Amino acid sequence: DTAVSQTPKYLVTQMGNDKSIKCEQNLGHDTMYWYKQDSKKFLKIMFSYNNKELIINETVPNRFSPKSPDKAHLNLHINSLELGDSAVYFCASSQGAGGSPLHFGNGTRLTVT
Amino acid sequence: EDKVVQSPLSLVVHEGDTVTLNCSYEVTNFRSLLWYKQEKKAPTFLFMLTSSGIEKKSGRLSSILDKKELFSILNITATQTGDSAVYLCAVAGTGANNLFFGTGTRLTVIP
Repeated sequence: DTAVSQTPKYLVTQMGNDKSIKCEQNLGHDTMYWYKQDSKKFLKIMFSYNNKELIINETVPNRFSPKSPDKAHLNLHINSLELGDSAVYFCASSQGAGGSPLHFGNGTRLTVT
Repeated sequence: EDKVVQSPLSLVVHEGDTVTLNCSYEVTNFRSLLWYKQEKKAPTFLFMLTSSGIEKKSGRLSSILDKKELFSILNITATQTGDSAVYLCAVAGTGANNLFFGTGTRLTVIP
């Protein structure tokens, strides 16, 4: 049973396109996140949702728009993709407030050409 | 600004060696410090530390937190090639539903 699953695993697309990444967790957690990991393995928070409500929105271009239809799902839509968006995007979930262990999905490697 | 600094950035050791990875932090209203291991895919949770001086242990891995000096160490004894990974340290502050990650230490264990 996959606890946090995200699709697709790989995404190769051209500049200017719009793409979405989906994430689902079956752990019953109430908080979900999107993290971006660059080529140097640095993980940086992008968004956090608690029970479908946005609670963290870091300095991310507004081309990135998260959507949480329910507390088990958090999708990420990216408009007008740029070369600098190439990275691995991780979805994660946790139970409770800040400091609880995150459970990560396997990541989506996005390559923008 | 909150930050987490890990050292060394990378480390190459031989099987059987013991390694110590370091994590120092500055965060508003510290709540917890977590260690993760990342191989090829998702980071996997190792330890969560909230109290100073109490060692957490799991097999050959152990970790301890010093809240006065604002750092933590992760020890791995009798290293094996399967320990090769990036080890990530993350810190949470009260009121923030967020973890600040360090840049990680890349450990390579050679046979």
